[in-house]
Amino acid sequence: QKEVEQDPGPLSVPEGAIVSLNCTYSNSAFQYFMWYRQYSRKGPELLMYTYSSGNKEDGRFTAQVDKSSKYISLFIRDSQPSDSATYLCAIRTGGFKTIFGAGTRLFVKA
Amino acid sequence: EAQVTQNPRYLITVTGKKLTVTCSQNMNHEYMSWYRQDPGLGLRQIYYSMNVEVTDKGDVPEGYKVSRKEKRNFPLILESPSPNQTSLYFCASSPWTGGDTGELFFGEGSRLTVL
Repeated sequence: QKEVEQDPGPLSVPEGAIVSLNCTYSNSAFQYFMWYRQYSRKGPELLMYTYSSGNKEDGRFTAQVDKSSKYISLFIRDSQPSDSATYLCAIRTGGFKTIFGAGTRLFVKA
Repeated sequence: EAQVTQNPRYLITVTGKKLTVTCSQNMNHEYMSWYRQDPGLGLRQIYYSMNVEVTDKGDVPEGYKVSRKEKRNFPLILESPSPNQTSLYFCASSPWTGGDTGELFFGEGSRLTVL
């Protein structure tokens, strides 16, 4: 079983839609959960992070962690064509290591 | 401008011809790492370095070498490339102090094709 599982998509939505991106993970000891955004032909950039359980909101983006079910989510409200990118969930494991999901490709159509 | 710079960005080579992908960061970060990105597999760590002269294997180190002689540079060496090393490679650095997320700052990637 992979430590982090993420549906690679692609996911295509109309402009203005609410987008839900999700990952599951295997180790209940993980504490730091992140979402990176990667535009085409660019390196990933940190979008949001959450420590332990709960929600974190930043503008149109909300990151959510449910440790009881080992499930992490990223919600995008009022999605825009500029949100079209690959979104990677990431988890800091023990020590100095970050593991990544496969990434979900998102297309927002104008 | 704070950045991680990789070179070359694109490279086509042949099996067995040694190559080096350079990586340099100007943010004075202690931690540096190499990843490869393949469809459906995401980012997988090849090697990482906590500081000068300190390197360790990641999840997929076979066929790769690294060195960290200076804080800012972390080259990736493929001594004898093979077609299964065709991939998109990313170098990343982090100011990681151990008590936070360890945000990674990535270069723009190096697309390598081994024929």
